[in-house]
Formats: sequence, C-alpha cells, structure tokens
Amino acid sequence: SQQGEEDPQALSIQEGENATMNCSYKTSINNLQWYRQNSGRGLVHLILIRSNEREKHSGRLRVTLDTSKKSSSLLITASRAADTASYFCATDTGGGNKLTFGTGTQLKVEL
Amino acid sequence: GAVVSQHPSRVICKSGTSVKIECRSLDFQATTMFWYRQFPKQSLMLMATSNEGSKATYEQGVEKDKFLINHASLTLSTLTVTSAHPEDSSFYICSARDNGNTGELFFGEGSRLTVL
Repeated sequence: SQQGEEDPQALSIQEGENATMNCSYKTSINNLQWYRQNSGRGLVHLILIRSNEREKHSGRLRVTLDTSKKSSSLLITASRAADTASYFCATDTGGGNKLTFGTGTQLKVEL
Repeated sequence: GAVVSQHPSRVICKSGTSVKIECRSLDFQATTMFWYRQFPKQSLMLMATSNEGSKATYEQGVEKDKFLINHASLTLSTLTVTSAHPEDSSFYICSARDNGNTGELFFGEGSRLTVL
C-alpha cells in the first residue's frame, strides 16, 4: 500500500492564489520530501524536511511537518501558470534515500 | 547541477522482445540507483534498488527475471525488460544517489515504454 496519501487528488486555482497540498503517511520517517513532475517528465526535487523540523521555506514554497499526526503540507504562494504540474510527497523511512511516494496532487493554475 | 540521463526517452517494441533502458549519472558517481515504474496519472512505485558491483534488491512483487538490472559502473545502471508484454507498457524512471557528502538524489527524465 502507499506510504503517502495526498489530498486533494486534483486542485484547480487561479493565478495569484495560494495552493495547499496535504500528505499523510503511516510509518516513522527520517525525512519527507516534495517533488514536482511535469506531464511525461522526470521529477524535480523541491524541498526536504527532516523529522525534527516543523517548517521550512524555499522561495514561494512553505512546507510543514507534523510527526504526531504523520502529515505534511506544501503551500505554494502566489501561484503561476508555470506551477501547473503534479506534486508528490515522498518519505524516507530508513535513510539512504529509498523513497516511498504518495499518490500525488495534480495542480492546475489557470490564467 | 547534477544530471541523470535516461535513454531512450521513448521506445516502442513488439511483444516478446527485450528492451534495455539506461540510467547514467553524468557528473557524479552513484553507488546506488533506484528504478521506479509509473502508470498514467498514478504515483511512482519502487521496483528495485540497484547497487554497483552487486545484485539489485527487488521490491516485493517485482519479478527479478522479468526486470533485469545491471549496475556495472558507478555511473551506469541498466534495466532490461525481458520478453515484454503490453502490460509492461509504462513510464520507467530512475534516480541516482550522489556518492558525495550530501547524498542527494537526482531523477532521470523517464523512459516511456510501449509494447505492442
């Protein structure tokens, strides 16, 4: 079964709005990572948050981690049409970057 | 930045043939690479962990004789889909872990296999 479940499965917003995606997982983790995937392409690493961190920022991205609830969220502020993509969370449970991916959120940002 | 190259990016083959997909780390060495499979609009499923100089470690349910993995050098891992069938059609993605101090993971652009 999937380690990570993401919601919503699909999200459609207007340019300039914020987009929030959530990820829940089942087992203890070393770190949680967020990736972006454009249709038919490879994955681009966005941000990594360690199990002892609660919040992390990178540009327009803000990631939170609540290990007590086994959940994480990715916030993209001031979204742009170019942010349209699928976003996946991935958990590293044993170190070594053997990742288990969530189900993904398909984000569409409309002009 | 670090680059992982996959080749071919697209391949179409007939049922019963074998297809080899290459994953190369272009500017770093990678003792460990990972192979994933992705169905349309679905998540990535880890197939196996490829280790340079030793046998790959396969995830439960993945047939090792069907999906042959060879990691002959610190910059190259290959996945061979043997006796391919239409149900093997999928998007295959590799990732490579930089042997350097960060141990960062980099993904290839993926290879789309279509078996007729």
